[in-house]
Amino acid sequence: DTAVSQTPKYLVTQMGNDKSIKCEQNLGHDTMYWYKQDSKKFLKIMFSYNNKELIINETVPNRFSPKSPDKAHLNLHINSLELGDSAVYFCASSQDSGKVYTFGSGTRLTVV
Amino acid sequence: AQSVTQLGSHVSVSEGALVLLRCNYSSSVPPYLFWYVQYPNQGLQLLLKYTSAATLVKGINGFEAEFKKSETSFHLTKPSAHMSDAAEYFCAVSNQAGTALIFGKGTTLSVSS
Repeated sequence: DTAVSQTPKYLVTQMGNDKSIKCEQNLGHDTMYWYKQDSKKFLKIMFSYNNKELIINETVPNRFSPKSPDKAHLNLHINSLELGDSAVYFCASSQDSGKVYTFGSGTRLTVV
Repeated sequence: AQSVTQLGSHVSVSEGALVLLRCNYSSSVPPYLFWYVQYPNQGLQLLLKYTSAATLVKGINGFEAEFKKSETSFHLTKPSAHMSDAAEYFCAVSNQAGTALIFGKGTTLSVSS
């Protein structure tokens, strides 16, 4: 019973392609997130959704578009992939106004 | 705005030695603070969290952290390092609205035999 699950775990693709990463949580949490971990392991928030509504949208290129069909799912679509998009992307969810956060196992995206 | 600073990007200890990983925070409101561990090629695992209850927080794998408001610190300690503790450690603070977790830059812990 994985609490926050992401697919795929690994994604290798060519520059210019469009790809999606899916995330699902079965914890009943009301907020979901996407984080990007760069090559120096720095974790930075990209997006945050609360009950399907976008509440945080950091300075992320508009090639990145999150979509939340319901509060248990938050997908990330990336258009026109660039070399610099190579990173590990983590999905997370939270409850209790910031007291509990649970992370997925990450998706390692490699753009070649 | 909330932020955390982890002092020392790399800490090396011998097996059996004390582990001390430093974290200082900046927050305009009482913070919620967290330590996460990331083993190579794995996701983030919660070690412990402070959410305004006891100032000394005990976590998994023998780790603990003490919240010190006067020093704005939340340092992570373990009395005796084990080889399996080698990993990346992240300190984090929940933002004021409770809508995001803000991470420090991480500290790599190496343990030698």
